[in-house]
Amino acid sequence: DAKTTQPPSMDCAEGRAANLPCNHSTISGNEYVYWYRQIHSQGPQYIIHGLKNNETNEMASLIITEDRKSSTLILPHATLRDTAVYYCIVISGGTASKLTFGTGTRLQVTL
Amino acid sequence: GAGVSQSPSNKVTEKGKDVELRCDPISGHTALYWYRQRLGQGLEFLIYFQGNSAPDKSGLPSDRFSAERTGESVSTLTIQRTQQEDSAVYLCASSPYRGWELFFGEGSRLTVL
Repeated sequence: DAKTTQPPSMDCAEGRAANLPCNHSTISGNEYVYWYRQIHSQGPQYIIHGLKNNETNEMASLIITEDRKSSTLILPHATLRDTAVYYCIVISGGTASKLTFGTGTRLQVTL
Repeated sequence: GAGVSQSPSNKVTEKGKDVELRCDPISGHTALYWYRQRLGQGLEFLIYFQGNSAPDKSGLPSDRFSAERTGESVSTLTIQRTQQEDSAVYLCASSPYRGWELFFGEGSRLTVL
């Protein structure tokens, strides 16, 4: 599965949009982009995923560039409860793969 | 309950003892994962069960670690002759289909004295 690169940390003011970038320049055609987050002392939580098209759900939006080499997770109105480590994962649609987590981006939402 | 259930939530044991950790996945979920997370560290993949296929054991750190799953239900992770470096939170997750939307439990915190 393709390797991903994320900034180690980011800050965001409460109420503002949090834009978390992820580079995955070696992504191949059948690989999906998944985002998870882990709030302190809890298990990871699935946020959203996409293949080619931009996606939106009640938690976030996922913007994937046309060449698919990078993506951005957008939390439109960040709250203090969104403070967490955010993981970008690229994984093949085949069942032989396993979901592995990198180091992620630690997002700190401040007042 | 509706979510993934893990027990015990906390376990303190002495070095050299065996421990068993249990995971009850969401009913109907075919895939089940075990991960380990040491304090302040990322998630380490341990083992993956998918339906009736042979499990992917490639993440188990030593032969002291083993896991079983009965059909598509309960899984147990067993650590024999525990060592202090086994101290961690052990997280279980299940998934309803062949995609990668995993539902995680709250974890079992293991402390080896």
